[in-house]
Amino acid sequence: ELKVEQNPLFLSMQEGKNYTIYCNYSTTSDRLYWYRQDPGKSLESLFVLLSNGAVKQEGRLMASLDTKARLSTLHITAAVHDLSATYFCAGPSGGGADGLTFGKGTHLIIQP
Amino acid sequence: EAGVVQSPRYKIIEKKQPVAFWCNPISGHNTLYWYLQNLGQGPELLIRYENEEAVDDSQLPKDRFSAERLKGVDSTLKIQPAELGDSAVYLCASSPGQGNRQGYEQYFGPGTRLTVT
Repeated sequence: ELKVEQNPLFLSMQEGKNYTIYCNYSTTSDRLYWYRQDPGKSLESLFVLLSNGAVKQEGRLMASLDTKARLSTLHITAAVHDLSATYFCAGPSGGGADGLTFGKGTHLIIQP
Repeated sequence: EAGVVQSPRYKIIEKKQPVAFWCNPISGHNTLYWYLQNLGQGPELLIRYENEEAVDDSQLPKDRFSAERLKGVDSTLKIQPAELGDSAVYLCASSPGQGNRQGYEQYFGPGTRLTVT
């Protein structure tokens, strides 16, 4: 059974700063997902990382996957207030088109 | 392209009452998921359908929860009777399914927020 751990769970940072959210998972997986959730809203897909060494970037967010270390990172560059949200990483529970196992989420607050 | 549609968006019921949630997935998506999200937590899988077949319902509390996906399109999740601890957001997601790697991405609906009093 896949276990997913994120850290930190809470992060308060100032605009303009850089920071990284870490996602460790317990069993071998060739895919890792990052989602964003705003308060009271559903989950918005940010990245799907499909192979070891995969790196994807969208605006100020960049995600990477190291399957050997069972680690994914979400890096925020020059944070802006609009990026305040909860970020979840998730992995397939058992391979294939399975349901996902999610981490507890990182609640990110970016202060002006 | 329309996204995943869920209704109702909010539901307040008294304990021991029944409740049902409806989900319409993205057109053409064969795989449908129901998740439960408690406050401050990540979603947890309840059941997964491939077309009309429930292929993973191991996390569904079958004493009070049931689900169906007739004709392999829309799905309904039911709780009977509801308990106080069932208060949560119930999320539906869909995926094109297997066949290509991009098909593994899951798209979530807005959710139904259930409050049991």
